[in-house]
Amino acid sequence: DSGVTQTPKHLITATGQRVTLRCSPRSGDLSVYWYQQSLDQGLQFLIQYYNGEERAKGNILERFSAQQFPDLHSELNLSSLELGDSALYFCASSEGGVNYGYTFGSGTRLTVV
Amino acid sequence: SQQGEEDPQALSIQEGENATMNCSYKTSINNLQWYRQNSGRGLVHLILIRSNEREKHSGRLRVTLDTSKKSSSLLITASRAADTASYFCATTNDYKLSFGAGTTVTVRA
Repeated sequence: DSGVTQTPKHLITATGQRVTLRCSPRSGDLSVYWYQQSLDQGLQFLIQYYNGEERAKGNILERFSAQQFPDLHSELNLSSLELGDSALYFCASSEGGVNYGYTFGSGTRLTVV
Repeated sequence: SQQGEEDPQALSIQEGENATMNCSYKTSINNLQWYRQNSGRGLVHLILIRSNEREKHSGRLRVTLDTSKKSSSLLITASRAADTASYFCATTNDYKLSFGAGTTVTVRA
């Protein structure tokens, strides 16, 4: 157990639907990062939050949004889902920024049918 | 887009042998990190080397960094079956940690 908790572990949904992925960072970590991993695109950085504020944005689609709550847990919302959104979505946390190693959760495997 | 590129894409070695993989990147970095991922699971942080460091060790791992060549290498000594995994280098730039495509290492018993 890495200390980063992601739920659900698996999600199967239909095209056009909306889902919410949840992440609880490791205790004491203020930064949360979301990544998408697919066979064709590899690991893609989506977005980072630090203590509730958006810090950096990567290749995140407009159909996707995220937020970090006062208790530091984060949610990634994916809407108008397409087949190509099927991927592993990872959340990671760190005590600071990019000068610290990241602790990854075990991921949410999203399958869009 | 991915900042780092690992080489080779795949590596198969006998248990007890050393495994070496390389990472090249394109822009200046604050630090470079290596991660391991067992099939379909989360990534595990192995080691971080700062841009002003040239070499770092952690157990059976040895990482080198050559900023003039924009490259890094990860050496795993005396490999074990449990080292079978994908290994990713990740570079930091502009608050972002960008991962390469990874090297898949298979350790044969």
